[in-house]
Amino acid sequence: KAGVTQTPRYLIKTRGQQVTLSCSPISGHRSVSWYQQTPGQGLQFLFEYFSETQRNKGNFPGRFSGRQFSNSRSEMNVSTLELGDSALYLCASSLGDRDNSPLHFGNGTRLTVT
Amino acid sequence: KQEVTQIPAALSVPEGENLVLNCSFTDSAIYNLQWFRQDPGKGLTSLLLIQSSQREQTSGRLNASLDKSSGRSTLYIAASQPGDSATYLCAGESNFGNEKLTFGTGTRLTIIP
Repeated sequence: KAGVTQTPRYLIKTRGQQVTLSCSPISGHRSVSWYQQTPGQGLQFLFEYFSETQRNKGNFPGRFSGRQFSNSRSEMNVSTLELGDSALYLCASSLGDRDNSPLHFGNGTRLTVT
Repeated sequence: KQEVTQIPAALSVPEGENLVLNCSFTDSAIYNLQWFRQDPGKGLTSLLLIQSSQREQTSGRLNASLDKSSGRSTLYIAASQPGDSATYLCAGESNFGNEKLTFGTGTRLTIIP
């Protein structure tokens, strides 16, 4: 069974631009969550989607948004990029919502904002 | 708001030793607690998940415990190997609040051959 796939693997963008990251969950998984990892702040929760609905949202500005499609694939978008948005963005999938199933992570997208 | 702490931030032990990694959390209304490992430049690999109704989980040389009353979880690694070198993170999923998982800052483990 294929794991969680995140594309692209690396991105370099300029301040003020926008970016879209993609996540394909494990087949059959309906919950997708996104996290930002930086050396200073560690891993922080961005948002979670289940059956195309946003279930939870972390403490990030409105420039960060996401969506989930009917096939459970998810995208996150960051608009008006800032230098501080440089980070490793991780996506995780699990079977369902609050069902005690473990999260499976992709290898992430490394975003560099210059 | 759930807060998760891992101490120490880094740990080095000789190969073959048994070791314990610690995780503390503030919100006892925890739904489950998960332990992950992260290798440099990679995503996270799920190691063990302990449901709130459980006390411990075992997988091979790994054993994780959960004590909700004291707000602590431990990950025990037996007979450590150089391949165990990685950063280990614990994360709690709460019954309430708006976060899917709250992560600790991790313990970077180095096993010395």
